[in-house]
Amino acid sequence: DAMVIQNPRYQVTQFGKPVTLSCSQTLNHNVMYWYQQKSSQAPKLLFHYYDKDFNNEADTPDNFQSRRPNTSFCFLDIRSPGLGDAAMYLCATSRQGASTGELFFGEGSRLTVL
Amino acid sequence: SQQGEEDPQALSIQEGENATMNCSYKTSINNLQWYRQNSGRGLVHLILIRSNEREKHSGRLRVTLDTSKKSSSLLITASRAADTASYFCATGRSFGNEKLTFGTGTRLTIIP
Repeated sequence: DAMVIQNPRYQVTQFGKPVTLSCSQTLNHNVMYWYQQKSSQAPKLLFHYYDKDFNNEADTPDNFQSRRPNTSFCFLDIRSPGLGDAAMYLCATSRQGASTGELFFGEGSRLTVL
Repeated sequence: SQQGEEDPQALSIQEGENATMNCSYKTSINNLQWYRQNSGRGLVHLILIRSNEREKHSGRLRVTLDTSKKSSSLLITASRAADTASYFCATGRSFGNEKLTFGTGTRLTIIP
């Protein structure tokens, strides 16, 4: 059974039209992550939550926002997608964080910007 | 910023041969993790080695860690066509810093 579920798997949007990607987990993990992965590149961390504490990466554009309304759900909002935001967006969870254990990834949401 | 570099960027071998991938990183770590990614899919955790460990095995996987050289290697023995994927190393830092930072990855192709 899938433990980290991302929706939608594929999202097509127009330049500048807001998009929300969702992630849910059945693992009851404390930490949730959002990564951006462009073609043939490594995943790049955008931000993560430790419980309700939000940790933004310094180089994450303001265009990217996130919400974690409860333990199980986390959302990635892209306020005004540009062509450069086309990528795979990966959600991951960890029980106590990467310093002590592994991450569990969803299957990703592939975003296309027209 | 990218924590690690992987070498080689791409590797093609015959089925049954062993595959070795190397990873170098820049800062002190609590652990180093290896992940596998099939094309268009999410990442799957393979193995975690802690900073006080030097070698770890899991099935056909063998991982080494040399903290003095800030490097790690992943060996896959008796490769199979199903091992075709991208492999990433990633570093976990100190407690309280819960980021996981990925290396550049190695694209492994197993030729049947």
